[in-house]
Amino acid sequence: DTAVSQTPKYLVTQMGNDKSIKCEQNLGHDTMYWYKQDSKKFLKIMFSYNNKELIINETVPNRFSPKSPDKAHLNLHINSLELGDSAVYFCASSQDQGSYYGYTFGSGTRLTVV
Amino acid sequence: QKEVEQNSGPLSVPEGAIASLNCTYSDRVSQSFFWYRQYSGKSPELIMSIYSNGDKEDGRFTAQLNKASQYVSLLIRDSQPSDSATYLCAADGGSQGNLIFGKGTKLSVKP
Repeated sequence: DTAVSQTPKYLVTQMGNDKSIKCEQNLGHDTMYWYKQDSKKFLKIMFSYNNKELIINETVPNRFSPKSPDKAHLNLHINSLELGDSAVYFCASSQDQGSYYGYTFGSGTRLTVV
Repeated sequence: QKEVEQNSGPLSVPEGAIASLNCTYSDRVSQSFFWYRQYSGKSPELIMSIYSNGDKEDGRFTAQLNKASQYVSLLIRDSQPSDSATYLCAADGGSQGNLIFGKGTKLSVKP
């Protein structure tokens, strides 16, 4: 019973393509997040949603668009992929908006743009 | 800009020794602090949370928090080779609710 599941686990694609990453959590959490982890392991927030409402939209290119059809799902669509988008993207969820209990992370999606 | 700072390491300790990992945070508003362990190629896994000044122990792990110094640490007693991983310190970002992560400290425990 995977708590936070992401698909796909690996994604190799050419520059200029459009791709999506899907995330689902079965923990009943209200808040979901997308984080980007670069090659130096630095985890940086991209977006957060609380009960389908966008809460955080950090300075990321508008080629990145999150969508939350319900509070258990948060997807990430990326248009016109660039080499610099290569990274590991983690979905996470938390019980509350205040992160008091910390996050549960998905297994990550390793995106490689060639 | 809210920041969490960690020494990137690598920190190398012999098996059975105490590993000491340190972290400082910039925002005095932060109330919740976490240590995550991340094995190579895996996702971060929550190992400790701490909210009050002082020590919190869980098995071989002890988290320490000093809000006056804005300092968080993690001690791992009787270090094992299986503890070799990157350890990420995180602090809550205040009203928006996101966690701010440090860049991680890579720990290597040598048999």
